[in-house]
Amino acid sequence: EPEVTQTPSHQVTQMGQEVILRCVPISNHLYFYWYRQILGQKVEFLVSFYNNEISEKSEIFDDQFSVERPDGSNFTLKIRSTKLEDSAMYFCASSEGQPGELFFGEGSRLTVL
Amino acid sequence: GENVEQHPSTLSVQEGDSAVIKCTYSDSASNYFPWYKQELGKRPQLIIDIRSNVGEKKDQRIAVTLNKTAKHFSLHITETQPEDSAVYFCAARFTGGGNKLTFGTGTQLKVEL
Repeated sequence: EPEVTQTPSHQVTQMGQEVILRCVPISNHLYFYWYRQILGQKVEFLVSFYNNEISEKSEIFDDQFSVERPDGSNFTLKIRSTKLEDSAMYFCASSEGQPGELFFGEGSRLTVL
Repeated sequence: GENVEQHPSTLSVQEGDSAVIKCTYSDSASNYFPWYKQELGKRPQLIIDIRSNVGEKKDQRIAVTLNKTAKHFSLHITETQPEDSAVYFCAARFTGGGNKLTFGTGTQLKVEL
């Protein structure tokens, strides 16, 4: 069964450093998303991406965040200058259509020290 | 803004009993309502979903009901088993750009022997 894959599974970084989280969505999916989940809290929407551009972003997704689809398979989330409060599990997701089932990756746990 | 409220935050039932989790949403134009199960340290996984043109959907021991007038939907799990223990999140897809999912705050379900 096809699945969304994410790397790294866990990253530890120092405050102020740049981080790139990588995702490979399911190959025939057209809509891509990043969500984050602070430990013990709910899943929060960050950004959605379609047709090579951001279609919606939340208040969390400020100028420190960016997304990119550098090639036909990868979908990346960059945090330019990490803060302590960026520590969370970041989930990539993709869907084939709208509305449609969202398939989540296993997540990338980011720890900012 | 979009909002999904979920109750209860924790729910403890005896094995074999039923469990009901309830959610309300704010945007009457929402058209898709999935439920996710998340085990500790794992990704959210879709267990059932319902679209706005349907009032009820059932899949074996799991059912979801939707009341569009009242803007609430519920998850029903019958004959609960220990492996049902997890955090359950409801979500709603609000129409508009991006078709993001907004999640509820989660319900920690514990099924006791």
